[in-house]
Amino acid sequence: KNQVEQSPQSLIILEGKNCTLQCNYTVSPFSNLRWYKQDTGRGPVSLTIMTFSENTKSNGRYTATLDADTKQSSLHITASQLSDSASYICVVSRLSGTYKYIFGTGTRLKVLA
Amino acid sequence: ETGVTQSPTHLIKTRGQQVTLRCSSQSGHNTVSWYQQALGQGPQFIFQYYREEENGRGNFPPRFSGLQFPNYSSELNVNALELDDSALYLCASSLDRERTEAFFGQGTRLTVV
Repeated sequence: KNQVEQSPQSLIILEGKNCTLQCNYTVSPFSNLRWYKQDTGRGPVSLTIMTFSENTKSNGRYTATLDADTKQSSLHITASQLSDSASYICVVSRLSGTYKYIFGTGTRLKVLA
Repeated sequence: ETGVTQSPTHLIKTRGQQVTLRCSSQSGHNTVSWYQQALGQGPQFIFQYYREEENGRGNFPPRFSGLQFPNYSSELNVNALELDDSALYLCASSLDRERTEAFFGQGTRLTVV
């Protein structure tokens, strides 16, 4: 079954600290993996997109890694800010003639002052 | 701003009614995908349209239907509304159906009473 699982479900950290979010998937055949940030009640905003051959990709304070062998990805946030408080969603695209997008349920991050 | 606009932003309908949601894709994008996001959950893929034709569908019943116009804007139609259809409906456009970034709109919050 094609699934995307994220952990932890929720996370609270202090401003300035680092954190790492995890994404494990069983989607096959794999096309690409994306991380999105979603503020409450708003549409997701893309942070990174990685294909099979890419191991790491950075976008400012966000760094995503991908291990296609173990089917795991992580999103590392450095020096967190209050504005980082949001849900972070991992999305895996499946290549099967037509593309299909499998979303994780997200990790809800709260950054406290 | 992603350049993807959805209308209306909020909508209240009665069970059994029909609803049409609209999405204007980013300029130059020929692919539009629709998602349903229940409260506290990750988005669920409904279907994708590429150059006015359906190009993939998730596990949604036939009463969820769509349309893409020559200017690549799109509509999502839902017939015989049920209470469980209450959700945030997201539209995302991308340059093409291949491995390109998807840009999300702000969503339409549908409440079925």
